[in-house]
Amino acid sequence: GAVVSQHPSWVICKSGTSVKIECRSLDFQATTMFWYRQFPKQSLMLMATSNEGSKATYEQGVEKDKFLINHASLTLSTLTVTSAHPEDSSFYICSARIRDFYEQYFGPGTRLTVT
Amino acid sequence: LAKTTQPISMDSYEGQEVNITCSHNNIATNDYITWYQQFPSQGPRFIIQGYKTKVTNEVASLFIPADRKSSTLSLPRVSLSDTAVYYCLVGDNWDGQNFVFGPGTRLSVLP
Repeated sequence: GAVVSQHPSWVICKSGTSVKIECRSLDFQATTMFWYRQFPKQSLMLMATSNEGSKATYEQGVEKDKFLINHASLTLSTLTVTSAHPEDSSFYICSARIRDFYEQYFGPGTRLTVT
Repeated sequence: LAKTTQPISMDSYEGQEVNITCSHNNIATNDYITWYQQFPSQGPRFIIQGYKTKVTNEVASLFIPADRKSSTLSLPRVSLSDTAVYYCLVGDNWDGQNFVFGPGTRLSVLP
């Protein structure tokens, strides 16, 4: 149980285009989802937190107009990287939590390459 | 936000017990300590979580001293498949969302 999926697992896009990454909780309802970014050989950096039906809360330094997060249902959150640039190339990982439970269940990650 | 410090890397041999320590001097009263394992190009996997004293599950033990300024993840009898990066995470697991991942410890298990 407690499986989180991400789609796509990898994506290549051209500079200036937008790309959407989906995060789904397959067998539970996620009241909170988190989006992280991870550069090679580095730790995970929290980008934003989204609660179902609410606007996402972004960490300091993360551009909310560039990284659009939508958490429209208890099983789906999306991250859209708008006007992507090569420096946005990274490994994006989502995680999900059930209310009042401690664990974060992580997705497998999405490798984004912007050319 | 509690900042954590971990050794950057550790080496061990198969069958040995491995202890990885995380320092979190500024841990807050409401903060829990969680350890995750991450393989390359995969999302982290939950290992264990605790608040104080000792917690044990089927894969690891977590030791937390009374002052809670550090914690030690203990992996008994490691195997080659335990080669991964281990992260110490300190944060408020309720609606407070400011989880801070530590730098991670790259564990290499040698045959």
